[in-house]
Amino acid sequence: NAGVTQTPKFRVLKTGQSMTLLCAQDMNHEYMYWYRQDPGMGLRLIHYSVGEGTTAKGEVPDGYNVSRLKKQNFLLGLESAAPSQTSVYFCASRRFSGPQETQYFGPGTRLLVL
Amino acid sequence: KNEVEQSPQNLTAQEGEFITINCSYSVGISALHWLQQHPGGGIVSLFMLSSGKKKHGRLIATINIQEKHSSLHITASHPRDSAVYICAVRDPGGGADGLTFGKGTHLIIQP
Repeated sequence: NAGVTQTPKFRVLKTGQSMTLLCAQDMNHEYMYWYRQDPGMGLRLIHYSVGEGTTAKGEVPDGYNVSRLKKQNFLLGLESAAPSQTSVYFCASRRFSGPQETQYFGPGTRLLVL
Repeated sequence: KNEVEQSPQNLTAQEGEFITINCSYSVGISALHWLQQHPGGGIVSLFMLSSGKKKHGRLIATINIQEKHSSLHITASHPRDSAVYICAVRDPGGGADGLTFGKGTHLIIQP
């Protein structure tokens, strides 16, 4: 099993450009998450999904959109990138709800917006 | 919303030393996770605790639910233990929206 994979690993964008980050998991997990990690701050939740076709906002959703058309994929879109969106983005998944469930993380996508 | 505080923020120690990283949180939880992040790398789960103590190799994690506090200990530390250690909590009810994270403790073990 590949676990959780993210594409691309690194990207440079100019302000105003758009892009989509892809997260894929092969563990048949119901729950998927997008986080951003910035220096001096903990991971912050952008959006999440509790199943195919569902999405919900997290702590910092502004400027991002998501889609979960297939259970194994969770896409994060930036319609008009801003320098404030320079960050490392992590995708995560877990099997289902419940405090004992381990959350599995992808390797991260480093995004630089100029 | 839970507030998660970790201490210290940075820690440099010599190989072989006993390491302690602390985590406190503000409101009740259903579980606490310790995660490890190597430089430039992804994040892996080390422990999930809801009570008591867990041990895996040289790593020991404890939690005191009444005091809302957890510690991660590393015995006989080694340079390969150098990483960021992150504490994260899950709110009661399971928390469909995932975990609340601390800012991490950056650990460097010098040979």
